[in-house]
Amino acid sequence: QVQLQESGPGLVKPSETLSLTCTVSGGSMSSYYWTWIRQPPGRGLEWIGYIYYSGSTTYNPALKSRVTISVDTSKNQFSLNLRSVTAADTAVYYCARDPWHFDLWGRGTMVTVSS
Amino acid sequence: QSALTQPASVSGSPGQSITISCTGTSSDIGFYDLVSWYQQHPGTAPKLMIYQVTKRPSGLSNRFSGSKSGNTASLTISGLQAEDEADYYCASYAGSSTLVFGGGTKLTVL
Repeated sequence: QVQLQESGPGLVKPSETLSLTCTVSGGSMSSYYWTWIRQPPGRGLEWIGYIYYSGSTTYNPALKSRVTISVDTSKNQFSLNLRSVTAADTAVYYCARDPWHFDLWGRGTMVTVSS
Repeated sequence: QSALTQPASVSGSPGQSITISCTGTSSDIGFYDLVSWYQQHPGTAPKLMIYQVTKRPSGLSNRFSGSKSGNTASLTISGLQAEDEADYYCASYAGSSTLVFGGGTKLTVL
């Protein structure tokens, strides 16, 4: 059964780049879209963007200037880079499958932006 | 691209039915049948409950149902149970390959 697992630093300094990876296990990435979603503490969900297994991407317009999502199908991984972070980027970051409804989620990883 | 509007909280007693609304615009909920609903218990990842407005994932209880009228989607939970107490989020395709979430609703089972 397919599982997703987020990994990456739990603490990032302001103005630096937040980098996370989602590893897909138990199945292939082919023919699926792969999405990043975040949730600030005590707040709601925010869609960040997605990547198709072939590499095409779409981003939330509010984050587009700072976000890059990439995929490495040979490693069964996709990644999130968020540049120039501030405290407002502190959140639990989730990876999920499919672009418009998410039937499979990772457990999430907390990222704190602080000096 | 504005967040969809949900009530901050709803409550009901065990066995009752409740409905959570999710209001968008004619550019998202009103135009596309791509509304989904998620249940989130504290400290856990969201769980898909409804997709494409009315469809339930395989194995999900039929106590959960979805509907849409105009720019508003709704999630109805019948036969309320203690384990239904959670936060619920709606989401909708919003055109131009983008997605928008609602602000979330806290369901309390009295």
